[in-house]
Amino acid sequence: GQQLNQSPQSMFIQEGEDVSMNCTSSSIFNTWLWYKQDPGEGPVLLIALYKAGELTSNGRLTAQFGITRKDSFLNISASIPSDVGIYFCAGRALDSNYQLIWGAGTKLIIKP
Amino acid sequence: EAGVAQSPRYKIIEKRQSVAFWCNPISGHATLYWYQQILGQGPKLLIQFQNNGVVDDSQLPKDRFSAERLKGVDSTLKIQPAKLEDSAVYLCASRLPGRGRTEAFFGQGTRLTVV
Repeated sequence: GQQLNQSPQSMFIQEGEDVSMNCTSSSIFNTWLWYKQDPGEGPVLLIALYKAGELTSNGRLTAQFGITRKDSFLNISASIPSDVGIYFCAGRALDSNYQLIWGAGTKLIIKP
Repeated sequence: EAGVAQSPRYKIIEKRQSVAFWCNPISGHATLYWYQQILGQGPKLLIQFQNNGVVDDSQLPKDRFSAERLKGVDSTLKIQPAKLEDSAVYLCASRLPGRGRTEAFFGQGTRLTVV
């Protein structure tokens, strides 16, 4: 089936550092979404992107919809302890019955 | 606004037993999804409902899994009989109908452990 390649798989960072993660797809999407999942919780939508080249911010988070429509990245600036969790990208193709394809997640860990 | 409600939060069963999960979507959300999330992976869609009709159940293992949404609101997902590899978090999500810029909201999930 269709796959999303999300990297890195995990990140160990110091508080205050900037973080960058990305997703690539073998096919074209018309929507890219970024979710965060805390332990014991369901995914929560952080940023939604609907147009190639679109750059959208949500507080310290910034995400971009790649020009090729096959990739997206998420940046977190000046990380804080509550940023810890698993970040998922998800993409949706135009003819997909409004269904999402998910990446495997990037686990963010802040070094004490 | 109340979110997507799921119960139970946790369930431990022995293999070959049966189990059922319940989901109450956000009011007015006609589209409902059940996902399976295995540890270390992203969610995998099992079934999608639009009101009380099935839109897609192509990834539902129908020999052991079943789901229903009889009145177009609450939904139940059942596994009978359970296997060890069914250990996962089962997530329910709901979304407003239509093809506009509306995205799904997720419940907290039910963590199933099959021993």
